[in-house]
Amino acid sequence: AQSVTQPDIHITVSEGASLELRCNYSYGATPYLFWYVQSPGQGLQLLLKYFSGDTLVQGIKGFEAEFKRSQSSFNLRKPSVHWSDAAEYFCAVGVGGFKTIFGAGTRLFVKA
Amino acid sequence: SAVISQKPSRDICQRGTSLTIQCQVDSQVTMMFWYRQQPGQSLTLIATANQGSEATYESGFVIDKFPISRPNLTFSTLTVSNMSPEDSSIYLCSVGRDRQETQYFGPGTRLLVL
Repeated sequence: AQSVTQPDIHITVSEGASLELRCNYSYGATPYLFWYVQSPGQGLQLLLKYFSGDTLVQGIKGFEAEFKRSQSSFNLRKPSVHWSDAAEYFCAVGVGGFKTIFGAGTRLFVKA
Repeated sequence: SAVISQKPSRDICQRGTSLTIQCQVDSQVTMMFWYRQQPGQSLTLIATANQGSEATYESGFVIDKFPISRPNLTFSTLTVSNMSPEDSSIYLCSVGRDRQETQYFGPGTRLLVL
């Protein structure tokens, strides 16, 4: 069955520290992979996506993600977190026909 | 990308009533989607709304409860009918773009049913 797992319900990091949010998926082929961010009271904003080519993709706001086929993972990283990065982050998988499966989300807290 | 607006942005409704949510896109798109995000939960697809055809509903969602209109390539509505407190959620519309199947989301409609 197709699924997306974000094992961390919430993560707390200090401002300026590095960040890695984990995402694993289950899908028979190479999917389209996305990370979205949802700030409080907002809709979802696309951070980055992977569909082919270089497995390290750059996104907006200084985020990057790496696709590892052998681990079925697509982890999101940022070298230095800012207080404004506090939000909910969703990993998602496109499985064809614009059908998108979302993970449960990871809430990021940033402490001063 | 796409600029998507939704109306209303939030509402408080009484049980048994219905609410129609509007989604407007700044350019023509073939595929539009409606999602529900229950409190503290992830997104669940309600239905796909393509212009010129009936909406396609996901398992657990029915047309009588969530009728959808798609009168043209830039607009869609979702109605939440005969509401109960369990319908309290954020309702989001999205549009599908590009061959990588990227979805772009509206700001959402926050619904509270009392």
